[in-house]
Amino acid sequence: GQNIDQPTEMTATEGAIVQINCTYQTSGFNGLFWYQQHAGEAPTFLSYNVLDGLEEKGRFSSFLSRSKGYSYLLLKELQMKDSASYLCAVPPSRDDKIIFGKGTRLHILP
Amino acid sequence: GAGVSQSPSNKVTEKGKDVELRCDPISGHTALYWYRQRLGQGLEFLIYFQGNSAPDKSGLPSDRFSAERTGESVSTLTIQRTQQEDSAVYLCASSLAGGSVSYEQYFGPGTRLTVT
Repeated sequence: GQNIDQPTEMTATEGAIVQINCTYQTSGFNGLFWYQQHAGEAPTFLSYNVLDGLEEKGRFSSFLSRSKGYSYLLLKELQMKDSASYLCAVPPSRDDKIIFGKGTRLHILP
Repeated sequence: GAGVSQSPSNKVTEKGKDVELRCDPISGHTALYWYRQRLGQGLEFLIYFQGNSAPDKSGLPSDRFSAERTGESVSTLTIQRTQQEDSAVYLCASSLAGGSVSYEQYFGPGTRLTVT
């Protein structure tokens, strides 16, 4: 079967660093997406990794290990506006639907 | 340019009535997706269009749900004989397709459906 696992909730402090993990088992692999979803809003694209390694984009970085079926999203210098759900998503192939994890709800404390 | 639009933004309907939800994808996006999201829950895949064909309808919860797409543009999701369990936000997303990589999805603002 196809499965994506993420922690349900995490809490971190403003200014700190947090790492949100995602593991996947899918029939195929054509990259891994991370999306951010604020409460009451639609998801928005954060990153796409198709090769192993770390990709940095400002305060957000995303890591992928294809051999381990593992990714993480690293958020630095946390701000209150980073309080949101973070969704991991995998397309098994370029012509297939994208499978979403249930999301990790991140709470930022002042 | 314009993003993905959905209408109506909110819909309240009585149990047993039919509803039709509309999605206008970004121009040129051949892939279109419908998802359902219940309060506090993750995204539940419903159906995926590539052009106007639907290679994957596996997520439709029952035969009360159906969807169509005209060419590579507007899509409608129809729910017949609505039930209270259908209450949720229905999200539409579109993306480019083709080539060797996957493309990010652009989501519409959603339609909040409440069945009373």
